[in-house]
Amino acid sequence: DTEVTQTPKHLVMGMTNKKSLKCEQHMGHRAMYWYKQKAKKPPELMFVYSYEKLSINESVPSRFSPECPNSSLLNLHLHALQPEDSALYLCASSQADSTYEQYFGPGTRLTVT
Amino acid sequence: QQPVQSPQAVILREGEDAVINCSSSKALYSVHWYRQKHGEAPVFLMILLKGGEQKGHEKISASFNEKKQQSSLYLTASQLSYSGTYFCGTIRRGNDYKLSFGAGTTVTVRA
Repeated sequence: DTEVTQTPKHLVMGMTNKKSLKCEQHMGHRAMYWYKQKAKKPPELMFVYSYEKLSINESVPSRFSPECPNSSLLNLHLHALQPEDSALYLCASSQADSTYEQYFGPGTRLTVT
Repeated sequence: QQPVQSPQAVILREGEDAVINCSSSKALYSVHWYRQKHGEAPVFLMILLKGGEQKGHEKISASFNEKKQQSSLYLTASQLSYSGTYFCGTIRRGNDYKLSFGAGTTVTVRA
């Protein structure tokens, strides 16, 4: 099973809402990632978890809060977002660190109103 | 620092060949290639780890020139299924193994 799943597929939220994005993999991978992708742009790295510990935070605003409850799950908690945060949020996982191939989930299309 | 990809877009007829280039001003540890079709997630194609290394995936192959910090992706005898946006991702030596993607090359293969 080489699948990374993400829920929800689509999310519309107001600027005062709190919501969470979820990501799950059952490949035994020990690194998990959050990327943000705007239309016609490449994925931009947000966070990296390695062995369930946050190893990289690419200076992401605190309104985005990642969480890795266990080696298979990755969450992204959202609070007080801005309209410019509307984007496709991709989760990925890899066997160990970024030197290994990354498997991407289908993404969550987020719209902030 | 983002690698530089070229060309920005290419249109091919089935059976034609194309080359996509990816370069970095910094010393690289590895180069990754992904393809993303419209509305879908990026899909891994290959990783090149050593200078001069060449790899293949069906009729798609790639090379890595470590001295020039450049990688090229070769689409040979293109098929309709090759359409999509190709991203190179680079990992620089000594930067915590962060994967940085180039701006992408949109490939359109027509019958």
